[in-house]
Amino acid sequence: QKEVEQNSGPLSVPEGAIASLNCTYSDRGSQSFFWYRQYSGKSPELIMFIYSNGDKEDGRFTAQLNKASQYVSLLIRDSQPSDSATYLCAAKDSNYQLIWGAGTKLIIKP
Amino acid sequence: EADIYQTPRYLVIGTGKKITLECSQTMGHDKMYWYQQDPGMELHLIHYSYGVNSTEKGDLSSESTVSRIRTEHFPLTLESARPSHTSQYLCASSGQGSGNTIYFGEGSWLTVV
Repeated sequence: QKEVEQNSGPLSVPEGAIASLNCTYSDRGSQSFFWYRQYSGKSPELIMFIYSNGDKEDGRFTAQLNKASQYVSLLIRDSQPSDSATYLCAAKDSNYQLIWGAGTKLIIKP
Repeated sequence: EADIYQTPRYLVIGTGKKITLECSQTMGHDKMYWYQQDPGMELHLIHYSYGVNSTEKGDLSSESTVSRIRTEHFPLTLESARPSHTSQYLCASSGQGSGNTIYFGEGSWLTVV
């Protein structure tokens, strides 16, 4: 059973601090990894994707991938109350199917 | 970014009724998906399609059916709705670009009474 694991949270972070969200995956054949944000009652929206080892930065967001450790993370710098949401990690497996984590609920405290 | 449209957005229907949730995308994406998600819970893939006349069941057993007669259209039908079908249904699509990223519609909230 291919799995993507995330801590369900909630993860509480003070406004202005760095929020760190983590995700592990079981299929070593996975090549692409995605982070989505989902506000309560809304549909998921893409934040960024990563497929190379290392860091990928987009504004206040940085995705980190370590294929040897089968580990993906998302860092949010200068966290804002508007960042409060559930963050979904997904991995595209060796059959090109997207395997979803259950999501981590992030709360940014003003 | 994909433009994906779902109708109806909100629907309350009686038990035993037939309902079709519509989904259309304007980006020419070949792959389309239906997910079911209860509030605060994880996404479950119920159907997907890799192109016209191609449909597959997903990981979650569902009593719904889908069709893909046109590239842009992927409707989901419940022949006889039950209260256990009460949920949010999310349509999504992906194409060849942007790492095959999946883009979601706004969702259809179904309540069966």
